Amino acid sequence: DGGITQSPKYLFRKEGQNVTLSCEQNLNHDAMYWYRQDPGQGLRLIYYSQIVNDFQKGDIAEGYSVSREKKESFPLTVTSAQKNPTAFYLCASRFDRGNTIYFGEGSWLTVV
Amino acid sequence: AQSVTQLDSHVSVSEGTPVLLRCNYSSSYSPSLFWYVQHPNKGLQLLLKYTSAATLVKGINGFEAEFKKSETSFHLTKPSAHMSDAAEYFCVVMNSGGYQKVTFGTGTKLQVIP
Repeated sequence: DGGITQSPKYLFRKEGQNVTLSCEQNLNHDAMYWYRQDPGQGLRLIYYSQIVNDFQKGDIAEGYSVSREKKESFPLTVTSAQKNPTAFYLCASRFDRGNTIYFGEGSWLTVV
Repeated sequence: AQSVTQLDSHVSVSEGTPVLLRCNYSSSYSPSLFWYVQHPNKGLQLLLKYTSAATLVKGINGFEAEFKKSETSFHLTKPSAHMSDAAEYFCVVMNSGGYQKVTFGTGTKLQVIP
């Protein structure tokens, strides 16, 4: 089945640690996105990538980093510089000229 | 500038009664408009989309939405609410310009009372 796979579903991070959230898609989509969702709030764009080896900052990129070495993969690293990383993270993708965005099931990150 | 406003953060309906979730948008380009549903701790699932064809759009699970350009609205409706409809709903606008900017609304939480 085609889709977007995010892992892990739940992740705990200690203060000062970097963690990486995985996002893999087998839909052959060109563009990939990372969003952050806080309880009771909408989605905020962290980073997006239109093609391999290229990515752009979204609205809240500080404290995060990404890579896009393969078309199907777009991992997100939450660095220790991100002061309030506890949130629900959603990965998404779409065809370059398609207009429907498809979402993964999300990853919960909690700082302990 | 592009924006989306979901006029109600919470909507409560009784099971079997109609659902109306309101969405207004602004966009400099001819937009595509979407409604997504999110159940707790899950990703977003596409309910329906408008892409400049018919203004009345039918989606999954009995939902539909009407694009009204003069009112810049894209309200989501369903004739009869089911308990399984309880979730959060997001209105999304995407422009059709060279850079397809995507903007999400802040969401409407739908409660269905038995």
